[in-house]
Order: sequence, then structure tokens, then C-alpha cells
Amino acid sequence: GDSVTQMEGPVTLSEEAFLTINCTYTATGYPSLFWYVQYPGEGLQLLLKATKADDKGSNKGFEATYRKETTSFHLEKGSVQVSDSAVYFCALIPYSGNTPLVFGKGTRLSVIA
Amino acid sequence: NAGVTQTPKFQVLKTGQSMTLQCAQDMNHNSMYWYRQDPGMGLRLIYYSASEGTTDKGEVPNGYNVSRLNKREFSLRLESAAPSQTSVYFCASRDGDKTSHEQFFGPGTRLTVL
Repeated sequence: GDSVTQMEGPVTLSEEAFLTINCTYTATGYPSLFWYVQYPGEGLQLLLKATKADDKGSNKGFEATYRKETTSFHLEKGSVQVSDSAVYFCALIPYSGNTPLVFGKGTRLSVIA
Repeated sequence: NAGVTQTPKFQVLKTGQSMTLQCAQDMNHNSMYWYRQDPGMGLRLIYYSASEGTTDKGEVPNGYNVSRLNKREFSLRLESAAPSQTSVYFCASRDGDKTSHEQFFGPGTRLTVL
């Protein structure tokens, strides 16, 4: 079945460091890919998305590119801030349409000043 | 526009007690979902409703029941709570007809079963 694998955390970085969180997927066809973020004590919210190969999603300085050849959707940010401390989830929706999101297990990021 | 709302925010139950978690959305979405989140386990799908009048089991349905009361509301019931059901529960909704497929989440219910 469809699945998402993301790097295990926790990840601890100093402010202004470069961030990469790896995400790879297994799916038939052409899934849509997402990154969600969960701040402490809150629900998940969409960070960015890409719906076809080579699309780049971006938001709040974060970017991820849909790479079909490597089945990857790695999250990057050039300079993290303390306020980016959160749990990040990679997810996909299969191409077949109205089916539930498939989530990775999440990666906790802590940014220290 | 409230989005997805959940009640209650916190709940403590004793083993064997029952309760219903309520969820409502005001975005006219067709699809609604219940997840649980446990440390190190990510989000696990309990039940979902692809459209009004339908419900389907997810990854971890045992010990739960759901009701899609109308297009807005989707409730989750624990008939006889167990300590293993201590978790944070999230409701979500999505317009399954749109290719953007963004899923909106509620703030969560933190449940402790003693």
C-alpha cells in the first residue's frame, strides 16, 4: 500500500542553521504531496504542497520539490528561527482521489537561540 | 469562519466509562476524519467518512464507533474506555472533490483514561 517515510527526530539546530527533513514515499500513480506542521499544543496545519512532478511548494521560507525519479519530497529552509520549533509531517494523497491522507510519523524540530 | 471545532478540549475518564467526542466543520466539506496521536506513533486514522451517510474503518478502529450526523458533524464514541485509549484525538475535514485536497484539522481533544 501507499506509505510515507520521513527521517526520525528529534532534530536540534541553532538559529539561522540550514534545515533539511527527508521524506520519501511509495505510491502507485501520481500522488499529491504535502508537508504539515504542528506547533506545540495545536492541531496540524498545511505548510506547503505539490500536486505533480517537479512542482515546488513553498511557504514561510520553507520549500519542497516533488521528485518523482527519487520518490522524494524533502523539506528545506535556509535559515531556521526559534519559532520554527514544531513537529513536521510529510503526507500524500493517492492519485485515485477521495481517500484519506497517508502520513509519515513526524519529525520534531527544536531550534535553539 | 471557525473551521473545524472539537469538544471537549480535555477529558479524564475512568476505565469502563463511555463518552462521545464531538466535531463540526463549517466549510461545507464532504469528507471528515478522526485520528489519534500518540508519542512516537504519528497520526493514526481511526475512522473516516468520505461523504455524508458513509463511514469506513481506518487503521485503528477497535474500541470506537462513529456517527456522521449530517454534513457538518462527525462524532467519535468510546463505549467502554480503556487506558490504551489515552491519547490526543484530532478531527479533520476536506473537500474531497477538489484537487488541492488540503485537509483542515481541529485543535484536538486530550483524553486520559485512568
